[in-house]
Amino acid sequence: LAKTTQPISMDSYEGQEVNITCSHNNIATNDYITWYQQFPSQGPRFIIQGYKTKVTNEVASLFIPADRKSSTLSLPRVSLSDTAVYYCLVGEYNAGNMLTFGGGTRLMVKP
Amino acid sequence: DSGVTQTPKHLITATGQRVTLRCSPRSGDLSVYWYQQSLDQGLQFLIQYYNGEERAKGNILERFSAQQFPDLHSELNLSSLELGDSALYFCASSDPGGLTGELFFGEGSRLTVL
Repeated sequence: LAKTTQPISMDSYEGQEVNITCSHNNIATNDYITWYQQFPSQGPRFIIQGYKTKVTNEVASLFIPADRKSSTLSLPRVSLSDTAVYYCLVGEYNAGNMLTFGGGTRLMVKP
Repeated sequence: DSGVTQTPKHLITATGQRVTLRCSPRSGDLSVYWYQQSLDQGLQFLIQYYNGEERAKGNILERFSAQQFPDLHSELNLSSLELGDSALYFCASSDPGGLTGELFFGEGSRLTVL
């Protein structure tokens, strides 16, 4: 499984755009990139998944460069409720083996 | 509501004891995963079952065991408990035929070992 590296923590202010980058230098051809959000004492929740280029949904965008060795989760106009831990996972989705959660990035949104 | 049900939500026990945590996956999901999260730590993958068979193993201690039953619910057994086993234990399920392989997590079982 590809190992991921993320910043331990980030601070932002309400209304700003937040970009969290994940490094995965040994990503394999069949690997997808998935991001989860976790609030304290709750289970993680799926945010977005992508394979290459850009993916956008109602809550976030995911940017993946051509070499796929990194990815960036973009949260537009964050609010206090976006304060959470964000995890980047890499693996084959159809093999159900996206198993390893790294340390995650603790995002603190301030008023 | 993810559709994954975990019981009990809270459990307090003493060192040396044995407990069983239960997980009911979302309807139709064949895979069940167990994770351990200690205070302010990341999620540690313990074990995965698929349709009753062990599929993958992570950092699961020998004192811990799990199984998935024919009705697809799963149980995680923790024995000879130590103080360090105090943690949130999450169960997740997934549909291998789904579009994203998304893991759906339950609300967790908080285990406190005194």
